[in-house]
Amino acid sequence: QVQLVESGGGVVQPGRSLRLSCAASGFTFSSYAMHWVRQAPGKGLQWVAVISFDGTNKYYADSMKGRLTISRDSSRNTLFLQMNNLRAEDTAVYYCARQLYSDTGAYYYWGQGALVTVSS
Amino acid sequence: EIVMTQSPATLSVSPGERATLSCRASQSLNSNLAWYQQRPGQAPRLLIYGASTRATGTPARFSGSGSGTEFTLTISSLQSEDSAVYFCQQYNNWPPYTFGQGTKLEIK
Repeated sequence: QVQLVESGGGVVQPGRSLRLSCAASGFTFSSYAMHWVRQAPGKGLQWVAVISFDGTNKYYADSMKGRLTISRDSSRNTLFLQMNNLRAEDTAVYYCARQLYSDTGAYYYWGQGALVTVSS
Repeated sequence: EIVMTQSPATLSVSPGERATLSCRASQSLNSNLAWYQQRPGQAPRLLIYGASTRATGTPARFSGSGSGTEFTLTISSLQSEDSAVYFCQQYNNWPPYTFGQGTKLEIK
């Protein structure tokens, strides 16, 4: 069965960097675009970034553009999110998610989430 | 950017009754809209995609309707486990993919 498992969350000081990982299994990782979606405490869902199935196309939310790099390693079936110059408002649970189908941007598969807390 | 607006913010309904949740888009989405259920401490769960297609595992009491800019999620015969926050999401024009702010459904 499809599994997505995030890791790398934690407490980080403002201005520092953090890299999240998402280990994927149960499907052909190299066939699907992958997304990051975040949720600040008590708030709604915010799409963060997407990377195409082959890694050639990447898009980011404007609020984080310039501070993010999404990448993937298909040999390790792993998705990454490098976050730089973190701010307090980046505090959130970060989910990796996979679309239901390659041409449908609805997320059927979600990880359990990684909590990132930006605080001094 | 397409703005998604959900109403009401909170809805309180008795068990066995019907709940109707609304989602409005600032531009036409065709039918590229999804609904999610999120219980406390859990990841969101896809209920509906394509505005009206139930995802695998979604109970039949959940139904989606609408097209263009106006969409509805209807939950017939509410059960206690339906207490959650419900989000709509558009995937017609991206980036960015955008979500509504959510409707909190309380079971009386």
